[in-house]
Order: sequence, then C-alpha cells, then structure tokens
Amino acid sequence: DVKVTQSSRYLVKRTGEKVFLECVQDMDHENMFWYRQDPGLGLRLIYFSYDVKMKEKGDIPEGYSVSREKKERFSLILESASTNQTSMYLCASTTQQRNQPQHFGDGTRLSIL
Amino acid sequence: AQSVTQPDIHITVSEGASLELRCNYSYGATPYLFWYVQSPGQGLQLLLKYFSGDTLVQGIKGFEAEFKRSQSSFNLRKPSVHWSDAAEYFCAVRFSGGYNKLIFGAGTRLAVHP
Repeated sequence: DVKVTQSSRYLVKRTGEKVFLECVQDMDHENMFWYRQDPGLGLRLIYFSYDVKMKEKGDIPEGYSVSREKKERFSLILESASTNQTSMYLCASTTQQRNQPQHFGDGTRLSIL
Repeated sequence: AQSVTQPDIHITVSEGASLELRCNYSYGATPYLFWYVQSPGQGLQLLLKYFSGDTLVQGIKGFEAEFKRSQSSFNLRKPSVHWSDAAEYFCAVRFSGGYNKLIFGAGTRLAVHP
C-alpha cells in the first residue's frame, strides 16, 4: 500500500513565524500536492510538484511556498504565518499515469495564534 | 469553468437505510471521477473511481457509484448504511491537463442515527 506520511498531526505556531510542514511518500510517485481544507470549501490546491525541484502554483498559493529537493519529500512553507492560515493541511501523491488516484496523508491541523 | 458540485452539505440517515450522495460536474468531455471518504481527524481514503467502461462501479465498504453522462453526475450509493459510515464524503474530478490534478467538491457530511 502507498504510504503518505505527514510529519505532524497537530501544530501550534505564532503569527509571523516561519512554519514548515513536511510530507514523505514511499511509492516513488512523481506528483505531489499540498491542499488546505476548510469547512464548506472542500480541498483547495495550494501547490503541486511533478518532479524534483519542479513546482507549480495551485489555486491559492499566496502566503505559501514549497520545496522538493528529493523525490519522496515535499515541504510546504508558510513564510510568515498569519491567523487566516489556521486550517487542516493535506498532502497527496500520485504517479504520472492518468488513471491513478491521489493518495493522502492523515493531515496536519495547524493553528496560528 | 470546470467545477464540481455536491449539493448536500449535511445528510442524516438511519442505520440500515439506503444512501445516495450527489455529485455533479461541469465539463464537456468525460473526466476521471473519484469518491473519497474522510473520517474525523483523518486523511482521505479512496472509495472508488471511474475512468471508462461500465458506468456502475463498485468500491470498498459496500459503496457503488453510477456515472450518468447525460446528467454530468456521479452519485454515490449504499443500500444499507452502517453507523461506521458516518464521515465526510468528497467527490473529485480529474479534468484535462497534466499532473493528475483534481478538483474537489465541498463535501457532504453524513450522520447516521442508530
């Protein structure tokens, strides 16, 4: 089975801090994604990566950046955390094959105080 | 614009009753279609997917979904709901373009009464 591991289940940070969320997958997937999930809004794509060091903006990239130095690891960075970034963050991965689903981690619930 | 709509935000059913969760998408061609389930505090688990062929697809946990091209719908069904099915359900669609990007509906939260 595919395993996508997010480093923290719960995280509390302060406004203005630089925050790192880590995600690791064990299936050699090319594509990795970061979403945020808010009630009533479903999942919204922040950034995705289709190869090492390659990244593309999703629908809501403002206030975030990403890093993919190794194929298995995809990091989400909040450059200067703000209270409106309090949310559930989900990482996913998949192959380049068109008919493959995305596989999700358990999520990180981030609170910015 | 490509979009996915789940019209029902909350649904409550009694245990043992049948269930249908609705999903509609806006797109000219046939996309790839998915249903995911999220239990409280967890990530998303794939229930089933449709790419082509038989329009009635079977998934895990006794769920099935039917693709109806004429209605641009991909509704999820279960004949008899169990209390453990209480969760949030997301319909997702992969439209044209690369990288296997998905667009998600807003989700339907299912409550099950004993």
